[in-house]
Amino acid sequence: KAGVTQTPRYLIKTRGQQVTLSCSPISGHRSVSWYQQTPGQGLQFLFEYFSETQRNKGNFPGRFSGRQFSNSRSEMNVSTLELGDSALYLCASSLEGLAGPREQYFGPGTRLTVT
Amino acid sequence: AQKITQTQPGMFVQEKEAVTLDCTYDTSDPSYGLFWYKQPSSGEMIFLIYQGSYDQQNATEGRYSLNFQKARKSANLVISASQLGDSAMYFCAMRDTWRGGNKLTFGTGTQLKVEL
Repeated sequence: KAGVTQTPRYLIKTRGQQVTLSCSPISGHRSVSWYQQTPGQGLQFLFEYFSETQRNKGNFPGRFSGRQFSNSRSEMNVSTLELGDSALYLCASSLEGLAGPREQYFGPGTRLTVT
Repeated sequence: AQKITQTQPGMFVQEKEAVTLDCTYDTSDPSYGLFWYKQPSSGEMIFLIYQGSYDQQNATEGRYSLNFQKARKSANLVISASQLGDSAMYFCAMRDTWRGGNKLTFGTGTQLKVEL
């Protein structure tokens, strides 16, 4: 079974530009979550999508947005990039269960550098 | 609000020895799940083990076991027979199952170095 895939793996952008990152969850997983990892702030939750609807949202500015498609693939978009957006962006997918899934799997991440 | 605390920024262990990585959590919710992840220098987060708040027994997965002490709000990871490949950053995380959804709150991590 293929794992979570993220594209691209590396990205270099300039301040003010926008960027779109993609995440394909494990087959059958309908929940996709996004996280930002930086040395200063650690791992922070961005948002979660389930069945094409945003179910949870972290404390990030409106420049960060996402969506999920009917095949559960998800994209996140960052507009008007700032230097502080340089980070590793990770997505995670999981099944659903009555008490929540017992496993959440992460993709390899997209390393974004803003210059 | 949920909080995860990992008080050991770095740990060293000899190969073949066991090591315990500490994790304490804070939540007022009755139902939650606890995860441990390994992150090698490549960046990928590797799922290791899960413990549900209502699980009667401590979780085990191969060389990994979770020492869950609910009253003390601790969920320490025990790695037995350490290997050089265990050198990585380890994160403890919590999901609040009471409110639904899969948002994880992470600790700051522990950098483990396995030595010969």
